[in-house]
Amino acid sequence: GAGVSQSPSNKVTEKGKDVELRCDPISGHTALYWYRQSLGQGLEFLIYFQGNSAPDKSGLPSDRFSAERTGGSVSTLTIQRTQQEDSAVYLCASSPDRVSPEQFFGPGTRLTVL
Amino acid sequence: AQKVTQAQTEISVVEKEDVTLDCVYETRDTTYYLFWYKQPPSGELVFLIRRNSFDEQNEISGRYSWNFQKSTSSFNFTITASQVVDSAVYFCALSEAIGANSKLTFGKGITLSVRP
Repeated sequence: GAGVSQSPSNKVTEKGKDVELRCDPISGHTALYWYRQSLGQGLEFLIYFQGNSAPDKSGLPSDRFSAERTGGSVSTLTIQRTQQEDSAVYLCASSPDRVSPEQFFGPGTRLTVL
Repeated sequence: AQKVTQAQTEISVVEKEDVTLDCVYETRDTTYYLFWYKQPPSGELVFLIRRNSFDEQNEISGRYSWNFQKSTSSFNFTITASQVVDSAVYFCALSEAIGANSKLTFGKGITLSVRP
C-alpha cells in the first residue's frame, strides 16, 4: 500500500515569508508526528496528533510554528515569518496505534530559507 | 527525561566485514520501546526493528541482529558480512510505552560507509 507522502519535496523561500508543508499519512493510521532534521540538532520531535485528541505541541520551537490535522488524516505544518534557522528537513511519520507503535516516515520536505 | 547516545559518529568498513553499531539509552520509564532506523542517501527513514523493554530476547533477521541488554541500557545492532548497500546513517530511538505521546527520542546517528 501507499506510504506516507509529503509535499512539496523541496521549498525555497525568503526570510519573513510563511510556508505550508503537507503530510498524507498511511490510510488508517491514527497517530501522526512531525519531526525536524537539521545538521546541528539532529532529529527533533515537533508535534503529535492522536485521533481526535488535542495535539501535543510540546516540541514546537516557537509560536511561529503551528500544525493542524483535518478529518483525522492530512496534516499541514505552517511556519510563519520564516527565519534562516528554520532551514531543515521536515519529516512526517504515522503509526497505526499504541499496540503497534512503529512510526513510518515520509520522504520529508527540505526547507531552505534565504 | 529520555536520552539516546550513539557514541560512534562514523564507521568505515570493507565489504564482508562484520560491524556493530552501539546504542545506549536513558529513561525513567519502566516500560518503553527501542527502535533502529536506517537513513540511506535517498534520505527516507526506514524502520528496521522495534523491541519492547520487557522482552530481552535477541533477534536476528538475515544479516542483521540486535542485542538488547537492560542491565547496561544498551541496544546494539550488528550487521554481518556487510555490503555496499548497507551504507547509510543508522539511528537508534526510544519512546515511552505508556502515556499520551509515543514521540521518538533519537540518537545523533552513525554514518556507516561500506567500501567495496
